[in-house]
Amino acid sequence: RKEVEQDPGPFNVPEGATVAFNCTYSNSASQSFFWYRQDCRKEPKLLMSIYSSGNEDGRFTAQLNRASQYISLLIRDSKLSDSATYLCVVNKAGNTGGFKTIFGAGTRLFVKA
Amino acid sequence: GAGVSQTPSNKVTEKGKYVELRCDPISGHTALYWYRQSLGQGPEFLIYFQGTGAADDSGLPNDRFFAVRPEGSVSTLKIQRTERGDSAVYLCASSLKGFGTGSYNEQFFGPGTRLTVL
Repeated sequence: RKEVEQDPGPFNVPEGATVAFNCTYSNSASQSFFWYRQDCRKEPKLLMSIYSSGNEDGRFTAQLNRASQYISLLIRDSKLSDSATYLCVVNKAGNTGGFKTIFGAGTRLFVKA
Repeated sequence: GAGVSQTPSNKVTEKGKYVELRCDPISGHTALYWYRQSLGQGPEFLIYFQGTGAADDSGLPNDRFFAVRPEGSVSTLKIQRTERGDSAVYLCASSLKGFGTGSYNEQFFGPGTRLTVL
């Protein structure tokens, strides 16, 4: 089982739609959580850090359920420019006493006119 | 200001050769990370530096891979005896602070080096 699992999609939605992505993580010692966005053949960029049980930033809402080890991202009023791959990211303590960042494989979103 | 830069942007090499990939982090960022990304996958953690020291190198796949950051700024990822399976995009990221500092350490990524081993 992968440490961070996401539905790969693709999600094909019309402009203006609301779409939700889910992510589960396997390590209960995970400490911080993020959503990154990656455009085709580009580097990942931070979309949201997730504080406490969740937070909202404009059209984007992220939620964290530590008991269920589950993270979600909700996008309201989808725009064409939201088309990208969304990566669920978890920071956890490493085996050697350090820390490491684990990325999910990503969920692809296509927003169509 | 300048972001994270990586050189070269593309590298084609033959199986068995040695390669070096360079990363220039954002000035003042103490933490630096290396990842590799294959098509259709998320970035795979390789190693994390806090300052000059490798705080976690558990993601390096085997002893052909090695990374250094001698002065706490520029880092070089070194791959010996390259294999076709090493072909991927190698991403570098930096953050102002590292893990365990109470911050959420946003990681800023460079554009990557696309390595192709023939």
